[in-house]
Amino acid sequence: DVQLVESGGGLVQPGGSLRLSCVGSGFTFSDFWMSWVRQAPGKGLEWVAEIERDGSERKYVDSLRGRFTISRDNAKNSVYLQMNSLRAEDTAIYYCARFGLPFTLDMWGQGTMVTVS
Amino acid sequence: QSALTQSPSASGSPGQSVTISCTGTSSDVGAFNYVSWYQQYPGKVPKLITYDVYKRPSGVPDRFSGSKSGNTAYLTVSGLQAEDEADYYCISFAGSHYIFGTGTKVTVL
Repeated sequence: DVQLVESGGGLVQPGGSLRLSCVGSGFTFSDFWMSWVRQAPGKGLEWVAEIERDGSERKYVDSLRGRFTISRDNAKNSVYLQMNSLRAEDTAIYYCARFGLPFTLDMWGQGTMVTVS
Repeated sequence: QSALTQSPSASGSPGQSVTISCTGTSSDVGAFNYVSWYQQYPGKVPKLITYDVYKRPSGVPDRFSGSKSGNTAYLTVSGLQAEDEADYYCISFAGSHYIFGTGTKVTVL
């Protein structure tokens, strides 16, 4: 089965750090750009970051640049999101998603919940 | 990088059509034909409904159709069915980043 599985979420105090992981399976991970999207409780979706196939290019939503870092390890079929200086407003479900089509997120993981409190 | 504007809610009776709008600017929706729409049920993962404005992934019924005019994209759901009741989000490429819409809750009366 083609799937993405996130992990690493949990409860963290304001100012703390957390590293999210996402493992892809059932497809050639290194062929695809990857992205993180988040959704605060009861709120809409927010695009967070994306990373090129070999990790050479990374893009972020302006509001998070400097605190969040996206990275990947193709040998482990994994993409990561390092989150620093966490704030209450970062509380959300964080989804890992694949750019399976140009400019289109075609597959999403189940998400991992991050609570900053 | 403000969110694209969607009306908070839309509704229709079974069999009717409903159209959801997604308004951006000349830097995002108006500049690129890279608008996608997602359907999300409560507590579930978003599902891709349309991409590149009007294209549908395999398996998505042709009751769902996307279009665009200027800075506004649209998703039309024809022949509404009970299972279409969900939240719908648009997203547009904006050159160096992506922007989601605020979301529209579709209710089937």
